[in-house]
Amino acid sequence: DGGITQSPKYLFRKEGQNVTLSCEQNLNHDAMYWYRQDPGQGLRLIYYSQIVNDFQKGDIAEGYSVSREKKESFPLTVTSAQKNPTAFYLCASVDSYRDSPLHFGNGTRLTVT
Amino acid sequence: AQKITQTQPGMFVQEKEAVTLDCTYDTSDQSYGLFWYKQPSSGEMIFLIYQGSYDEQNATEGRYSLNFQKARKSANLVISASQLGDSAMYFCAMREGHGYSTLTFGKGTMLLVSP
Repeated sequence: DGGITQSPKYLFRKEGQNVTLSCEQNLNHDAMYWYRQDPGQGLRLIYYSQIVNDFQKGDIAEGYSVSREKKESFPLTVTSAQKNPTAFYLCASVDSYRDSPLHFGNGTRLTVT
Repeated sequence: AQKITQTQPGMFVQEKEAVTLDCTYDTSDQSYGLFWYKQPSSGEMIFLIYQGSYDEQNATEGRYSLNFQKARKSANLVISASQLGDSAMYFCAMREGHGYSTLTFGKGTMLLVSP
C-alpha cells in the first residue's frame, strides 16, 4: 500500500544532541512537508520541498535542517540550536493538484531532556 | 493576523446529534482551497473534506458537510449523527494559490462525543 512512513514513533534525546527524523513516501509525490505540532498550537510549517535537491523554509525553520536527495525521502534534523525541540513532528506529501489534500505520516514524538 | 481561526477550543455533543465546528479564514487570493482534517488520539491526520473557492456547491462526504459562506469567509464543518468514534481533534486548513502551495492550519477544536 502507498503511504508515508515516519520513524521512529517515539524518540528521546539529551539536550545538546542533534537528532534526525526519518520520512519516506512511496506515493510518487513531488512535494513534501514537515510540520511541528504543540498542544494548543495547531500545526506549524518547518520546511517544505517541491522537487529533489530544493527546499524552502517555513514559518519556524530556525534550529532545523532538511535534505532532499531522493524523491522518496525528506529527513528532518533537529539541531541543538532549536530552543524547544520537544514536540510532535508530522511529515506530509502531496501530488500536483490544487485540491489535493496533504497525505500525512503517523508522526514522531520527540522528547528532549 | 491569523489566516485560519477556530474559535472553539472544545465542543461537547451527544451521540446521534449534529455538531458544527467553526472556521473562519483570511486571504486576499481569489483562488484558494479549504480542508478539514481529523486527528484522533493516536496522532494520525485524517483528511475529511475539501472546498474550493470557486465551488458553487457546498462539499459533502458522507456524514461530513462543509457550510461554505464565501462572503463571510467561513467554512464550518458539520458532522451529522455524531458517533463515539468522532471524538478527536479537528483542524481547518487553507491552501492559497496553486500547485504545491503550503497548507496553513488553525489551532483546532477538540470534539467529545458522549453516549
